[in-house]
Amino acid sequence: DTGVSQNPRHKITKRGQNVTFRCDPISEHNRLYWYRQTLGQGPEFLTYFQNEAQLEKSRLLSDRFSAERPKGSFSTLEIQRTEQGDSAMYLCASSSPFSVEAFFGQGTRLTVV
Amino acid sequence: KNEVEQSPQNLTAQEGEFITINCSYSVGISALHWLQQHPGGGIVSLFMLSSGKKKHGRLIATINIQEKHSSLHITASHPRDSAVYICAVREASGTYKYIFGTGTRLKVLA
Repeated sequence: DTGVSQNPRHKITKRGQNVTFRCDPISEHNRLYWYRQTLGQGPEFLTYFQNEAQLEKSRLLSDRFSAERPKGSFSTLEIQRTEQGDSAMYLCASSSPFSVEAFFGQGTRLTVV
Repeated sequence: KNEVEQSPQNLTAQEGEFITINCSYSVGISALHWLQQHPGGGIVSLFMLSSGKKKHGRLIATINIQEKHSSLHITASHPRDSAVYICAVREASGTYKYIFGTGTRLKVLA
C-alpha cells in the first residue's frame, strides 16, 4: 500500500466549469476526511465519511460542493460552477478505527482562472 | 481565538541554527501531528505524537498534554528545511477530525 493517493495533483480550470477530484485512502481505513487549504492558511475541515456514510459537513461546503464515497473505499469531491475563490489545495486524509493516526494525501491544487 | 495557535508565524534562520516552533491548543486531543509543506507541494507528515518526545534525524518533537503545548525543534538547520511547518491536532472524540494551525513559514539562509 502506497498511502493515501489523490488525483489529479494539479488542476487548472476556467471559472464556471465543474471539476472532480479523487482520493484513494489506505486500504481498510474506514474514516476519510476532506480538507481545504487556501493561500497562507492552515487546512480547514470540509467533510467526513465513515465507510460510505457522510457523517459531517462543514459550513464551508456550499451547495456547489458534493462529496461521495459510494462503496466505502475511494471518495470523490466535485465542485460545480467553479469560482476563483475555490482556488486552493484540497487535501484528503484517512484513518483506521484502531489508531489515532491519520495519513494525509499529497493534495490536489486547484487553480480557477 | 483559534483552537490551534502556532508561533512564530514566520521565521528566518541562518544555516546551522537551532530552531524551535511552538504549538498551543485549547481542545481535548487524541493525537498531534507536525506536518511539512514545501511551496507548491503536498503535505508530508513528520511526526504523530500522543505523549512524550520523538526524534527523527535532526528533528525532535515534544508534547506536554497537561499544558496543551507541543514544540518542533530542528537542530543544525539547513536551507532544505525551508518550508511551512503545520501543527494539527486530532479531536479526542466525535469525528476525530483534525484542526490545523495556520503554519510557520521557515526560511533557512545559507
